[in-house]
Amino acid sequence: DIQLTQSPSSLSASVGDRVTITCRASQSISSGLNWYQQKTGNAPKLLIYSSSALQSGVPSRFRGVGSGTEFTLIITSLQPEDFATYYCQQSFSPLFTFGPGTKVELK
Amino acid sequence: QVHLQESGLGLVKPSQTLSLTCTVSGDSISNGNFYWSWVRQPAGKGLEWIGRIFIAGSTLYNPSLKSRVSMSLDTSKNQFYLKMTSVTAADTAVYYCARDREQVFLDPWGQGALVTVSA
Repeated sequence: DIQLTQSPSSLSASVGDRVTITCRASQSISSGLNWYQQKTGNAPKLLIYSSSALQSGVPSRFRGVGSGTEFTLIITSLQPEDFATYYCQQSFSPLFTFGPGTKVELK
Repeated sequence: QVHLQESGLGLVKPSQTLSLTCTVSGDSISNGNFYWSWVRQPAGKGLEWIGRIFIAGSTLYNPSLKSRVSMSLDTSKNQFYLKMTSVTAADTAVYYCARDREQVFLDPWGQGALVTVSA
């Protein structure tokens, strides 16, 4: 199966900061990479699909880039409601796998 | 607006069978554009995809759980189901159902159902 790693595992940031989270795949997955946001006690929410497509209703400060084995989620200006855990998920293989998550905390 | 809701017993004894239902509203599970997936998350840990089912009845399961998992659906009730046999404490988790867009992404998700495996 395709393994995903994320870095960092956690980060501290302030409102207004630019935040970048990296997801690496164990093999090339083309653009088959999605990003989810999960707030404590809630279900994950789709932010970005197919590496760079913004899901309807998601603020434009969220941006996804990458292809092959390396992908990045960028939050251009962190807002108070963005403090959460972010997961990547590959869809290149029909056997979905998720990254371990990156927790974004308030500095 | 599509809404998914998990339901089922919250406490299951070790070695018994976990059974969950996902009720879908705002969309038909007969919609051939979507699959229907289950994902679980142990407390404080990451997400694990369990498997998916399609209206034609085809299924695909996580190989690590395949021997213990089965999924089915009932179009008349607009529900789909998860069964997991021979559960242990390691199966204690929040279980989510989600609409699976053509094996590309999961959206939306249900709110989740906590299942605890304990004697």
